[in-house]
Amino acid sequence: GDSVTQMEGPVTLSEEAFLTINCTYTATGYPSLFWYVQYPGEGLQLLLKATKADDKGSNKGFEATYRKETTSFHLEKGSVQVSDSAVYFCALSDTGRRALTFGSGTRLQVQP
Amino acid sequence: KAGVTQTPRYLIKTRGQQVTLSCSPISGHRSVSWYQQTPGQGLQFLFEYFSETQRNKGNFPGRFSGRQFSNSRSEMNVSTLELGDSALYLCASSASGGDGYGYTFGSGTRLTVV
Repeated sequence: GDSVTQMEGPVTLSEEAFLTINCTYTATGYPSLFWYVQYPGEGLQLLLKATKADDKGSNKGFEATYRKETTSFHLEKGSVQVSDSAVYFCALSDTGRRALTFGSGTRLQVQP
Repeated sequence: KAGVTQTPRYLIKTRGQQVTLSCSPISGHRSVSWYQQTPGQGLQFLFEYFSETQRNKGNFPGRFSGRQFSNSRSEMNVSTLELGDSALYLCASSASGGDGYGYTFGSGTRLTVV
């Protein structure tokens, strides 16, 4: 079945540091890929998405590229801020399934 | 426009009771999905409804059920509550539930079973 693997957290960075959160996936079809962010006490917010190979999703300085050859969708940001502290979830939606399969989440802590 | 609204935000129930959670999707969205979030199991898909029909179901026991009304609002019901049902229940809406559209989530209902 489908699965998503994320790097373990927490990830602790200083403000303005470079961020990478690794995500790899297994899917039987041609999935769409997503990054969601969850702030304390809140639901999930869609951060970015990519629907086919080589697509790059971007939003609020975050980027991720759909790499079919390595089945990866790593999240990057050039300069993190304290306000980026949250839990980040990588997810996929496989062809026709109409459901999201999530990774376990990676907690990011940014220190001033 | 208004986002996805889930009510109530918090619930405390006793083991053996039943509970109903409500979700109002974004106006115009016809697909509503439900997810359970726990520290141990993470985020797991419960079911998805589109135009009042359940189109997809996750691997949960029959105690978990749902329905969708003609105005796309959805309810989720859990009967005979168990301690392990304590979780954050998230509802997500989508225009069509299609793979590439993404889903907008509500803030969730936190259920505690004692």
